[in-house]
Amino acid sequence: QVQLQESGPGLVKPSGTLSLTCAVSGGSISSSNWWSWIRQPPGKGLEWIGEIYHSGSTNYNPSLKSRVTISVDKSKNQFSLKLSSVTAADTAVYYCARTDSSGYYKGYWGQGTLVTVSS
Amino acid sequence: SYVLTQPPSVSVAPGQTARITCGGNNIGSKSVHWYQQKPGQAPVLVVYDDSDRPSGIPERFSGSNSGNTATLTISRVEAGDEADYYCQVWDSSSDLFGGGTKLTVL
Repeated sequence: QVQLQESGPGLVKPSGTLSLTCAVSGGSISSSNWWSWIRQPPGKGLEWIGEIYHSGSTNYNPSLKSRVTISVDKSKNQFSLKLSSVTAADTAVYYCARTDSSGYYKGYWGQGTLVTVSS
Repeated sequence: SYVLTQPPSVSVAPGQTARITCGGNNIGSKSVHWYQQKPGQAPVLVVYDDSDRPSGIPERFSGSNSGNTATLTISRVEAGDEADYYCQVWDSSSDLFGGGTKLTVL
C-alpha cells in the first residue's frame, strides 16, 4: 500500500520561500506515475500546483509557474515543492499525491500539512 | 482556459439518490475523476475514468459523462456520505478541479 507523508515548516514569512517534502513509502518513486502537489486554502476548494515524473519532467499550474519548483530525489524516494515570494494568499493545506500516468487520477494522497504565511 | 462548474450544494434525504454534476465544454471527450473529502481529511478517489470505481468504494457510487456534463451518482445515500465532492480532469498539460459540491444528507 503506497503511503505519502508531507513534511516542512508550518509557518513561513511573507516574501519568503515555502519548502515541503513528500516521502513515499510502499512503492517506488521511479514507478510509471507522476507525483503531484495540490493545495487547499482554508474553507476553499482544491488547486493543483504541479507534478513531476521520476525523470525530472514537470508540469506546473500556469498561474503559479513563475514561483514554483518541484524536484525529485530518487535516492530518498521523495519529491519536494518550493514556492517563492509567498503571501497570505498562499496559506493553505498542502497535499502531495500520486497521479496515475494513464488517467491522471490521484489514487493516493498524503494527509496534508497546513502552511501559514504570516510575519 | 478550461473551466469545470459544479453546484455549490446538493441536499438529499437518506436512502434517496444524489446526483452531483460537473459541467465543462465538451467534457464528454475527457476522462473525469471524482473525489470525496470529509472535514479535516484528505480527498479520496471514488470514481475514475468517468465510471470506474477503485477497490473498496461501494457500488452505490457511480459516474457518467456525456456532452457537456459529467455526473456522480450516489444511490441509497447514507449519513456517512455527507462530504464535499470534487470533479477533476486533465487538460492541456494541466490538472483542473471543479469548485466542489457540498452534499448534505437531510
